[in-house]
Amino acid sequence: NAGVTQTPKFRILKIGQSMTLQCTQDMNHNYMYWYRQDPGMGLKLIYYSVGAGITDKGEVPNGYNVSRSTTEDFPLRLELAAPSQTSVYFCASSYLAGGEGQFFGPGTRLTVL
Amino acid sequence: GENVEQHPSTLSVQEGDSAVIKCTYSDSASNYFPWYKQELGKGPQLIIDIRSNVGEKKDQRIAVTLNKTAKHFSLHITETQPEDSAVYFCAATPMDSNYQLIWGAGTKLIIKP
Repeated sequence: NAGVTQTPKFRILKIGQSMTLQCTQDMNHNYMYWYRQDPGMGLKLIYYSVGAGITDKGEVPNGYNVSRSTTEDFPLRLELAAPSQTSVYFCASSYLAGGEGQFFGPGTRLTVL
Repeated sequence: GENVEQHPSTLSVQEGDSAVIKCTYSDSASNYFPWYKQELGKGPQLIIDIRSNVGEKKDQRIAVTLNKTAKHFSLHITETQPEDSAVYFCAATPMDSNYQLIWGAGTKLIIKP
């Protein structure tokens, strides 16, 4: 049981490039989330999903897109990367609604230069 | 919207002593309050949580207390050990958002040997 896995661990992008951050969970959780964590700050919710085919915006969705074609996978797409998107990105999943009981992946450290 | 403030930003305690971290929230309708521990290079891990209908919850050396009137909740760690060194985050779930946790900025806990 691997839990929540994220790839890649690290990535450097040039301004204007695009990339997809991968997230997979093997716990059969319906709820999945993408967060960003800036230095010295708490986590900000980017997007979330309540099940396959259903996604919605969180607190800071601009510049990102998501899809949820299966229960297991919840990729985050960055289009036209900007320096403001330099951050650590965490994917999480839970079996409960209301933000409860979230399990986090190890994170992806992204730098945009 | 909900706002969560966390204090102190850094806390240094002697091994074996107790540590207390406090969070205040603004939305009196918030009903779920988790605490997460984040070790260096890892994703946050849920360590304890409390719902608004409970005043206190304990799990071995850690406890959380909730004061709904004052709108604050606290994490208490007793008999601190070196492995307690980490960043601790509090969060709250406002009633108007079923899936979004609003996070505090984090407290870096340092256990001195």
